[in-house]
Parts: sequence; C-alpha cells; structure tokens
Amino acid sequence: DGGITQSPKYLFRKEGQNVTLSCEQNLNHDAMYWYRQDPGQGLRLIYYSQIVNDFQKGDIAEGYSVSREKKESFPLTVTSAQKNPTAFYLCASRGQGYTEAFFGQGTRLTVV
Amino acid sequence: RKEVEQDPGPFNVPEGATVAFNCTYSNSASQSFFWYRQDCRKEPKLLMSVYSSGNEDGRFTAQLNRASQYISLLIRDSKLSDSATYLCVVNMRVRSGNTPLVFGKGTRLSVIA
Repeated sequence: DGGITQSPKYLFRKEGQNVTLSCEQNLNHDAMYWYRQDPGQGLRLIYYSQIVNDFQKGDIAEGYSVSREKKESFPLTVTSAQKNPTAFYLCASRGQGYTEAFFGQGTRLTVV
Repeated sequence: RKEVEQDPGPFNVPEGATVAFNCTYSNSASQSFFWYRQDCRKEPKLLMSVYSSGNEDGRFTAQLNRASQYISLLIRDSKLSDSATYLCVVNMRVRSGNTPLVFGKGTRLSVIA
C-alpha cells in the first residue's frame, strides 16, 4: 500500500547525542516536510524539501539537519545543538498542485 | 497577527449537538484550505478540503470566505467519535511552487454522552 512511514515510533536520546529520524514515502511525492509538535501546541515547521537535493529551513530549523538524496527519503537529524528536543516529530509529503499533505505516524523523541 | 488563528477551545458538547469552528488566516495570497483531524498522540489526518463554493461531506460542512479570510467547519449531530482536535490549514502558492502548509494550533472538541 502507498503511504509514508516514520521510524522509530519511540526514541530515547541521551543529552549530547545526535539522533536521526527516518521518513520514507512511496507516494511519488516531490515535496516532503518535517514538523515538530509540543504538548497542547500546533505543528511547527522544521525543514522542507520541494525536490531531490534541495531543502529549505522552516521556522525552527536551529539544531536540526536534513538531507534529500532520494525522492523517497527525507531523514531528520536532531543534533546536540537542539536544546529542547523532547517532542513529537511528524513527517509529511505532498504531491503537485494544491493538494493535501499526508503524514507518517510520527516519532516521539524523549531526552533522558 | 498569527498566520492561522483558531479558538483553542475546548468545546464540550453533548451528543447530537451541532458545533461550529472558525479559523482566520492572515495571508490573502493563500490558495488552498483544509481541515485536519488529530486524535490524541496520533498524526493529523485530512478531514476535508475547503472550496470557495463550500462543501459538505455527510455531517461535516466547510465554508470559505475569501473576502473576510475566514474558514469554518460545521459538525452536525455530533458523535462521541468526533472527539478530537481539529486543525485549520492553509497553503499559499508562490512562483516557485507551493509553500508548506501552515497549521493553526487546533480546536479541541469533546463530545459528551
């Protein structure tokens, strides 16, 4: 079935460690996005990519990095520079035009 | 002014009630509009797109007023299963392609038996 897959579902990180969250889609979508959601808050955009080998910073990119080497994949690295990384991370993809975004099931990251 | 604003609620309504959510957006260049539903600790899922002429899907009706930059969602005959957070979402078209979707913070609905 077509869809967007995030892994892992739960991730624990020690302070000072970098961790990478995986996002894969088989919808043949050009655009992919990473959002962060804190409890009781809306979605905030971290990074997005409109096409392979290109990406742009969103509203809260500091402490994060991404790559887009393949159309299907858009991994997010949470670096040690991100001071408050505990959150729910959501990956999404969109097709061409004014279409809706489809979300993965999310990764819940906790710093221990 | 925030890009997309919603009343955070919570809206606590009895089963069978009609409830309306409102949303305003600041950018007049916004081109596409959606309502998403998010259950607790889950990902958002598309509820319905919003068209200029208004659209209906069963118990759900969405309206768009471009002049007032205002979107609404009406839920009739509320069910317990409608309890969730409803997110208003807009998108602006620019020369280089679509911008990312901008999400409101959501309105929480609790339907009570």
